[in-house]
Amino acid sequence: KNEVEQSPQNLTAQEGEFITINCSYSVGISALHWLQQHPGGGIVSLFMLSSGKKKHGRLIATINIQEKHSSLHITASHPRDSAVYICAPQRGSNYKLTFGKGTLLTVNP
Amino acid sequence: ETGVTQTPRHLVMGMTNKKSLKCEQHLGHNAMYWYKQSAKKPLELMFVYSLEERVENNSVPSRFSPECPNSSHLFLHLHTLQPEDSALYLCASSRDRVEQYFGPGTRLTVT
Repeated sequence: KNEVEQSPQNLTAQEGEFITINCSYSVGISALHWLQQHPGGGIVSLFMLSSGKKKHGRLIATINIQEKHSSLHITASHPRDSAVYICAPQRGSNYKLTFGKGTLLTVNP
Repeated sequence: ETGVTQTPRHLVMGMTNKKSLKCEQHLGHNAMYWYKQSAKKPLELMFVYSLEERVENNSVPSRFSPECPNSSHLFLHLHTLQPEDSALYLCASSRDRVEQYFGPGTRLTVT
């Protein structure tokens, strides 16, 4: 079993739709990162959270440490949100992140 | 502009060549990372340097040799690579163990 499972693997939405991407992990962690990777490879860190909920603009990330689950939500999705979204739990005081395989999101106009 | 730059952006090299990838960060961070991303695979951590000391070496073959001369610069020296080493190589930096900032990556093709 992979340490990190993301769902769905692929997601196609119409502009304006509410998007949810899920991440489940199997080990205890100190924090979880959500990353965005655009075509061409560049990666942007969206969130780092260890409890509760964080919000940046149209993006919301939540985490439930007891259930070992995190979600990334996008409100009023836009074609420029099309990218791969990657979940990456971080264990303890370790520098190492464990990466999910990513969710490919395509938002059509 | 992420504050983390990588050069070159694209590299094609033969299996007998020696080349180096360079990463530079201007964010005042004290940790730097090398990652490998192969097609259809998750990101894999290769090396981590904290305060210029290597703190993670993720069972990477010796044909990859990292160097961190100071907290702003990180190199990945490549020699006698194999075609399966073709991938996107990403550098990142962070202040301690918090949010990582990624460079644009070097797309490496080994022929």
